[in-house]
Amino acid sequence: GQNIDQPTEMTATEGAIVQINCTYQTSGFNGLFWYQQHAGEAPTFLSYNVLDGLEEKGRFSSFLSRSKGYSYLLLKELQMKDSASYLCAVMDSNYQLIWGAGTKLIIKP
Amino acid sequence: DTEVTQTPKHLVMGMTNKKSLKCEQHMGHRAMYWYKQKAKKPPELMFVYSYEKLSINESVPSRFSPECPNSSLLNLHLHALQPEDSALYLCASSHGREVDEQYFGPGTRLTVT
Repeated sequence: GQNIDQPTEMTATEGAIVQINCTYQTSGFNGLFWYQQHAGEAPTFLSYNVLDGLEEKGRFSSFLSRSKGYSYLLLKELQMKDSASYLCAVMDSNYQLIWGAGTKLIIKP
Repeated sequence: DTEVTQTPKHLVMGMTNKKSLKCEQHMGHRAMYWYKQKAKKPPELMFVYSYEKLSINESVPSRFSPECPNSSLLNLHLHALQPEDSALYLCASSHGREVDEQYFGPGTRLTVT
């Protein structure tokens, strides 16, 4: 079956760094997406990885290891507005997004 | 214009009502999607349209009926819903159905009474 695992909830301090991990087992792989979703709002696209390595975009970076079925999202210089759910999603061989359950990130002052 | 719009923002309907959700994008995207999202759960794919043709129906009950009048518009017709259908309904679009980021609309919060 297809499975994506990520922690349910994480807590971090304003100004710090946090890493949200995602492991996956899917039928085929056409890339991995990270989305941010604030409570009651729509998901917004953060990053896309299809090759191994690190993609950096401002305060956010995303890493992929296809051989390990593993990705992480790294958030630096955390701000209160980063409190949200972070969803990992893998595009499978049928070009369908398989979603993880999301990680709720709580930022404390 | 990098926006997907959805109307209405909120909808309360009885189990015997018929209503429609609307979605619009003007980014020239050729793939459009309907998702259902319950609280604290990830989005669940309901329908995918590619070039205005239904390409995926994830075995959704017939009380949900999608329609794609043209490449910019997507509707979801609702009839005889159940209270468990209460959820956030999200529309999304992408350039094509293949590897491409999906842009989401703000969603319609549906409550079935």
